[in-house]
Amino acid sequence: AQTVTQSQPEMSVQEAETVTLSCTYDTSESDYYLFWYKQPPSRQMILVIRQEAYKQQNATENRFSVNFQKAAKSFSLKISDSQLGDAAMYFCAYRITRRGGTSYGKLTFGQGTILTVHP
Amino acid sequence: DVKVTQSSRYLVKRTGEKVFLECVQDMDHENMFWYRQDPGLGLRLIYFSYDVKMKEKGDIPEGYSVSREKKERFSLILESASTNQTSMYLCASRVGLGVGVAKNIQYFGAGTRLSVL
Repeated sequence: AQTVTQSQPEMSVQEAETVTLSCTYDTSESDYYLFWYKQPPSRQMILVIRQEAYKQQNATENRFSVNFQKAAKSFSLKISDSQLGDAAMYFCAYRITRRGGTSYGKLTFGQGTILTVHP
Repeated sequence: DVKVTQSSRYLVKRTGEKVFLECVQDMDHENMFWYRQDPGLGLRLIYFSYDVKMKEKGDIPEGYSVSREKKERFSLILESASTNQTSMYLCASRVGLGVGVAKNIQYFGAGTRLSVL
């Protein structure tokens, strides 16, 4: 079974600084997708960034970027120039691409990391 | 914009009551999901549906059932609510797998915080 682990229950950062959230996963699959989702307080969860495992290049979305280390099964999220609006719970998630099996199409989430941004 | 609407933000029920949590999406998505979110455990999948009248058990289906009679609506049912079902419940939807890049994006509702007393 696939598992996703976020070892940092809470992180904090000063406004305008950079912070990195950690995520590791365990899988025997060779092809899959990885995601970071953001859940602001009392608001809907939204997708921040995604990475296809077959791509070596790290995904980037404006101030958000990932460090994808396939061999180490590591997928960290870097937030640059942190803003107050970045304060949220962040979830790392994984999905296989191979059809068939009980896991196809399902997202597996980590435990979440609460990010606090200090002004 | 995709909209996933959950009928209640907060709900308080008594032990043994039958509880219905409703979710509606407006983007004609084939796939819909129900998760529960608990501190330290992240999101865990309860049930999902690939299409109308289709349902699959997720990782923690015990004590729950679902109904999907129309494409836009996916209901989660607690047949006899218990205190250990006190949680945040999230609904999500997604286009059917195989439909380009969009297949990767799940859209979430705002959640229903259920308290069972």
